[in-house]
Amino acid sequence: GAGVSQTPSNKVTEKGKYVELRCDPISGHTALYWYRQSLGQGPEFLIYFQGTGAADDSGLPNDRFFAVRPEGSVSTLKIQRTERGDSAVYLCASSLRGGARETQYFGPGTRLLVL
Amino acid sequence: GENVEQHPSTLSVQEGDSAVIKCTYSDSASNYFPWYKQELGKGPQLIIDIRSNVGEKKDQRIAVTLNKTAKHFSLHITETQPEDSAVYFCAASIKLFGNEKLTFGTGTRLTIIP
Repeated sequence: GAGVSQTPSNKVTEKGKYVELRCDPISGHTALYWYRQSLGQGPEFLIYFQGTGAADDSGLPNDRFFAVRPEGSVSTLKIQRTERGDSAVYLCASSLRGGARETQYFGPGTRLLVL
Repeated sequence: GENVEQHPSTLSVQEGDSAVIKCTYSDSASNYFPWYKQELGKGPQLIIDIRSNVGEKKDQRIAVTLNKTAKHFSLHITETQPEDSAVYFCAASIKLFGNEKLTFGTGTRLTIIP
C-alpha cells in the first residue's frame, strides 16, 4: 500500500475487556514495530518483528500485552484485561529490512481509551 | 538503556524567524539520530536524520547538527512558515540484536506566529 495503515483509528473499551489493534505495514517491508505514545510524550518502543518472529519484545509492559505477525505482513497487538493506564495512542511503524539506520515509516495510530 | 532529553517543550516563533530544538542522549553507542514531525491526529513523519560519522546535514530550510563528544544534537529550521507548526521529536538509535531501537525525546510543540 501507499503507507502504513492502522485500524481502528479509535477504540473505546471498558476496563477488563480485551482489545485487538491491527497494523498493515508498507508492502514488502519485513521489519515492523509497535510503539505506545502517551499524552504529551514521545513514542515508546514496545516490540519489533523481523518477518514473522518477534525479534525484540523487551518494551512490552507486562504479560497482558501480546503481538503476532503470522504471515510476516499484517500484525495484531492484543491487550488482555485492559486497564485505564493502557489508554494511549498505539503506533505501528515499518521499515524495509530493519537494517541499520533505516527510516521507520509510521502509521496514524490507534487511539485507545479505557473507561 | 538510552535516555533522550529534549528542550524546549514548547516554542513559539514569528513567521520567518528561525527555530532551534536541542536534544541530549546518554548512550555513547548511539549512532543514528532522526527527527520526526507529528501533526495533530497523525503519526510521526521523518523530516531529517544524521549519522554518527557526520557533524552536520542540511535539507533546504532544515538542518541538524551533531556533537558526539558532548552527546547532543540540534534541529534548526530557518525562514519558518505556518505549516511548520507541529510537534517535533528527536530520537537516538542503537542497533542491538538486529533491532534498530529508537528512543524518543518528549517532544517540542512548535508554534509559528503569522
